[in-house]
Amino acid sequence: QKEVEQNSGPLSVPEGAIASLNCTYSDRGSQSFFWYRQYSGKSPELIMFIYSNGDKEDGRFTAQLNKASQYVSLLIRDSQPSDSATYLCAVKGNYGQNFVFGPGTRLSVLP
Amino acid sequence: DTGVSQNPRHKITKRGQNVTFRCDPISEHNRLYWYRQTLGQGPEFLTYFQNEAQLEKSRLLSDRFSAERPKGSFSTLEIQRTEQGDSAMYLCASSLGGTGVSPLHFGNGTRLTVT
Repeated sequence: QKEVEQNSGPLSVPEGAIASLNCTYSDRGSQSFFWYRQYSGKSPELIMFIYSNGDKEDGRFTAQLNKASQYVSLLIRDSQPSDSATYLCAVKGNYGQNFVFGPGTRLSVLP
Repeated sequence: DTGVSQNPRHKITKRGQNVTFRCDPISEHNRLYWYRQTLGQGPEFLTYFQNEAQLEKSRLLSDRFSAERPKGSFSTLEIQRTEQGDSAMYLCASSLGGTGVSPLHFGNGTRLTVT
Protein backbone atom coordinates (compact mmCIF):
# COMPACT_ATOMS: atom_id res chain seq x y z
CA GLN A 1 0.00 0.00 0.00
CA LYS A 2 1.38 3.36 -1.07
CA GLU A 3 1.93 5.73 1.82
CA VAL A 4 0.69 8.91 0.11
CA GLU A 5 -1.77 8.77 -2.75
CA GLN A 6 -2.92 11.41 -5.20
CA ASN A 7 -4.86 11.29 -8.43
CA SER A 8 -2.29 11.66 -11.19
CA GLY A 9 -4.60 13.72 -13.37
CA PRO A 10 -4.42 15.64 -15.50
CA LEU A 11 -7.03 17.77 -13.81
CA SER A 12 -8.29 20.41 -16.20
CA VAL A 13 -10.19 23.49 -15.01
CA PRO A 14 -11.14 26.69 -16.82
CA GLU A 15 -9.47 29.95 -15.89
CA GLY A 16 -11.16 31.56 -12.91
CA ALA A 17 -12.57 28.30 -11.54
CA ILE A 18 -11.72 26.53 -8.30
CA ALA A 19 -9.24 23.65 -8.59
CA SER A 20 -9.50 20.96 -5.95
CA LEU A 21 -6.56 18.64 -5.34
CA ASN A 22 -6.79 15.67 -3.02
CA CYS A 23 -4.34 13.54 -1.07
CA THR A 24 -4.75 10.55 1.25
CA TYR A 25 -2.13 9.04 3.51
CA SER A 26 -1.74 5.74 5.33
CA ASP A 27 0.26 6.63 8.46
CA ARG A 28 -2.36 7.59 11.04
CA GLY A 29 0.33 9.12 13.23
CA SER A 30 1.38 11.67 10.60
CA GLN A 31 1.85 15.10 12.07
CA SER A 32 2.28 17.69 9.32
CA PHE A 33 1.25 18.01 5.71
CA PHE A 34 2.72 20.03 2.89
CA TRP A 35 1.73 21.12 -0.59
CA TYR A 36 4.41 21.80 -3.18
CA ARG A 37 4.08 23.08 -6.73
CA GLN A 38 6.46 21.78 -9.39
CA TYR A 39 6.72 23.23 -12.86
CA SER A 40 8.03 20.97 -15.59
CA GLY A 41 11.80 20.58 -15.32
CA LYS A 42 11.97 22.58 -12.10
CA SER A 43 12.27 21.63 -8.45
CA PRO A 44 9.35 21.62 -6.00
CA GLU A 45 8.48 24.90 -4.31
CA LEU A 46 6.49 25.14 -1.10
CA ILE A 47 2.94 26.49 -1.33
CA MET A 48 1.80 25.95 2.24
CA PHE A 49 1.61 23.48 5.11
CA ILE A 50 -1.01 22.46 7.65
CA TYR A 51 -0.89 20.46 10.87
CA SER A 52 -4.25 21.07 12.60
CA ASN A 53 -7.62 19.75 11.52
CA GLY A 54 -9.66 22.26 9.56
CA ASP A 55 -8.86 24.87 6.97
CA LYS A 56 -5.87 27.13 6.49
CA GLU A 57 -5.99 29.94 3.95
CA ASP A 58 -3.12 31.74 2.24
CA GLY A 59 -4.16 34.08 -0.55
CA ARG A 60 -5.87 32.06 -3.29
CA PHE A 61 -4.86 28.78 -1.65
CA THR A 62 -6.72 26.87 1.06
CA ALA A 63 -5.43 23.67 2.63
CA GLN A 64 -7.91 21.39 4.36
CA LEU A 65 -6.97 18.61 6.79
CA ASN A 66 -9.10 15.79 8.19
CA LYS A 67 -6.92 13.50 10.28
CA ALA A 68 -9.78 11.12 11.12
CA SER A 69 -10.26 10.45 7.40
CA GLN A 70 -6.51 10.69 6.70
CA TYR A 71 -7.24 13.20 4.00
CA VAL A 72 -5.71 16.52 3.01
CA SER A 73 -6.73 18.77 0.14
CA LEU A 74 -5.66 21.96 -1.59
CA LEU A 75 -8.13 24.39 -3.13
CA ILE A 76 -6.97 26.99 -5.61
CA ARG A 77 -9.45 29.80 -6.13
CA ASP A 78 -9.56 31.96 -9.26
CA SER A 79 -7.25 29.54 -11.07
CA GLN A 80 -4.83 31.10 -13.54
CA PRO A 81 -2.97 29.51 -16.46
CA SER A 82 0.24 30.14 -14.47
CA ASP A 83 -1.10 27.66 -11.87
CA SER A 84 -0.67 24.88 -14.43
CA ALA A 85 1.88 22.57 -12.80
CA THR A 86 2.18 19.35 -10.86
CA TYR A 87 1.07 19.59 -7.24
CA LEU A 88 2.83 17.34 -4.76
CA CYS A 89 1.43 16.35 -1.40
CA ALA A 90 4.03 15.53 1.28
CA VAL A 91 3.50 14.04 4.70
CA LYS A 92 5.83 14.07 7.66
CA GLY A 93 5.31 10.96 9.72
CA ASN A 94 5.24 10.34 13.40
CA TYR A 95 8.61 8.59 13.38
CA GLY A 96 11.79 10.06 12.05
CA GLN A 97 12.15 13.20 10.02
CA ASN A 98 11.41 11.74 6.59
CA PHE A 99 8.97 13.57 4.31
CA VAL A 100 6.99 11.17 2.12
CA PHE A 101 5.73 12.53 -1.19
CA GLY A 102 2.79 11.46 -3.28
CA PRO A 103 3.12 11.00 -7.05
CA GLY A 104 1.65 14.43 -7.73
CA THR A 105 -1.43 15.66 -9.57
CA ARG A 106 -0.96 17.48 -12.85
CA LEU A 107 -3.19 20.56 -13.07
CA SER A 108 -3.98 22.29 -16.33
CA VAL A 109 -5.77 25.65 -16.21
CA LEU A 110 -7.31 26.43 -19.57
CA PRO A 111 -7.51 30.08 -20.67
CA ASP B 1 20.12 33.77 2.17
CA THR B 2 20.87 32.38 -1.27
CA GLY B 3 18.75 29.26 -0.96
CA VAL B 4 19.83 25.67 -1.49
CA SER B 5 22.52 25.33 -4.15
CA GLN B 6 23.24 22.16 -6.12
CA ASN B 7 26.06 21.42 -8.52
CA PRO B 8 26.30 20.43 -11.24
CA ARG B 9 22.89 21.18 -12.79
CA HIS B 10 23.33 18.45 -15.38
CA LYS B 11 25.59 15.43 -15.57
CA ILE B 12 25.91 12.99 -18.44
CA THR B 13 28.00 9.93 -17.74
CA LYS B 14 28.64 6.53 -19.20
CA ARG B 15 27.44 3.40 -17.50
CA GLY B 16 29.96 2.15 -14.98
CA GLN B 17 31.44 5.55 -14.17
CA ASN B 18 31.29 7.18 -10.75
CA VAL B 19 29.60 10.54 -10.23
CA THR B 20 29.48 12.95 -7.32
CA PHE B 21 26.97 15.70 -6.65
CA ARG B 22 27.27 18.57 -4.21
CA CYS B 23 24.61 20.38 -2.17
CA ASP B 24 25.02 23.55 -0.14
CA PRO B 25 22.01 24.04 2.16
CA ILE B 26 20.55 27.26 3.50
CA SER B 27 23.18 28.36 5.98
CA GLU B 28 21.11 28.23 9.17
CA HIS B 29 19.47 24.89 8.33
CA ASN B 30 20.84 21.89 10.21
CA ARG B 31 18.86 19.22 8.37
CA LEU B 32 19.75 18.15 4.86
CA TYR B 33 17.90 15.66 2.67
CA TRP B 34 18.56 13.88 -0.61
CA TYR B 35 15.70 12.77 -2.83
CA ARG B 36 15.54 11.17 -6.27
CA GLN B 37 12.80 11.93 -8.74
CA THR B 38 11.99 10.20 -12.02
CA LEU B 39 9.59 11.44 -14.68
CA GLY B 40 5.98 11.38 -13.57
CA GLN B 41 6.80 10.37 -10.01
CA GLY B 42 7.07 12.23 -6.75
CA PRO B 43 10.42 12.65 -5.03
CA GLU B 44 11.68 9.46 -3.35
CA PHE B 45 13.56 9.81 -0.08
CA LEU B 46 17.18 8.64 -0.15
CA THR B 47 18.82 9.89 3.03
CA TYR B 48 18.78 12.59 5.68
CA PHE B 49 21.39 14.31 7.86
CA GLN B 50 21.05 16.28 11.03
CA ASN B 51 24.23 18.31 11.26
CA GLU B 52 26.97 15.84 10.27
CA ALA B 53 25.11 12.70 11.38
CA GLN B 54 23.38 10.57 8.76
CA LEU B 55 20.24 9.56 10.65
CA GLU B 56 18.07 7.84 8.06
CA LYS B 57 18.74 5.92 4.86
CA SER B 58 16.18 4.50 2.48
CA ARG B 59 16.43 0.92 1.31
CA LEU B 60 16.56 2.54 -2.14
CA LEU B 61 20.07 3.66 -1.24
CA SER B 62 22.03 0.64 -2.43
CA ASP B 63 25.67 0.06 -1.59
CA ARG B 64 26.58 1.95 -4.77
CA PHE B 65 25.23 5.15 -3.21
CA SER B 66 26.98 7.01 -0.43
CA ALA B 67 26.37 10.42 1.08
CA GLU B 68 28.43 12.53 3.40
CA ARG B 69 28.03 15.81 5.21
CA PRO B 70 31.39 16.63 6.74
CA LYS B 71 31.30 19.33 9.39
CA GLY B 72 27.54 19.60 9.03
CA SER B 73 27.69 22.07 6.15
CA PHE B 74 27.62 21.00 2.48
CA SER B 75 26.83 17.44 1.47
CA THR B 76 27.95 15.15 -1.34
CA LEU B 77 26.11 12.24 -2.91
CA GLU B 78 28.26 9.73 -4.78
CA ILE B 79 27.00 7.02 -7.09
CA GLN B 80 29.52 4.33 -7.98
CA ARG B 81 29.35 2.14 -11.06
CA THR B 82 26.37 4.01 -12.47
CA GLU B 83 23.58 2.12 -14.19
CA GLN B 84 21.01 3.39 -16.68
CA GLY B 85 18.38 3.04 -14.00
CA ASP B 86 20.17 5.74 -12.00
CA SER B 87 19.10 8.35 -14.56
CA ALA B 88 16.92 10.77 -12.62
CA MET B 89 16.77 14.20 -11.02
CA TYR B 90 18.62 14.23 -7.71
CA LEU B 91 17.13 16.81 -5.36
CA CYS B 92 18.68 18.21 -2.23
CA ALA B 93 16.58 19.97 0.38
CA SER B 94 17.25 21.52 3.74
CA SER B 95 15.15 22.45 6.73
CA LEU B 96 15.53 24.10 10.10
CA GLY B 97 15.38 21.49 12.82
CA GLY B 98 13.85 21.90 16.23
CA THR B 99 10.31 22.21 17.51
CA GLY B 100 7.53 23.29 15.26
CA VAL B 101 6.88 22.66 11.61
CA SER B 102 9.88 23.14 9.35
CA PRO B 103 9.21 22.51 5.65
CA LEU B 104 11.73 21.37 3.10
CA HIS B 105 13.36 23.94 0.84
CA PHE B 106 14.65 22.41 -2.38
CA GLY B 107 17.60 23.22 -4.57
CA ASN B 108 17.34 23.26 -8.35
CA GLY B 109 18.42 19.65 -8.59
CA THR B 110 21.06 17.74 -10.54
CA ARG B 111 19.79 15.90 -13.58
CA LEU B 112 21.78 12.73 -14.18
CA THR B 113 21.75 10.93 -17.52
CA VAL B 114 23.52 7.59 -17.72
CA THR B 115 24.20 6.46 -21.29
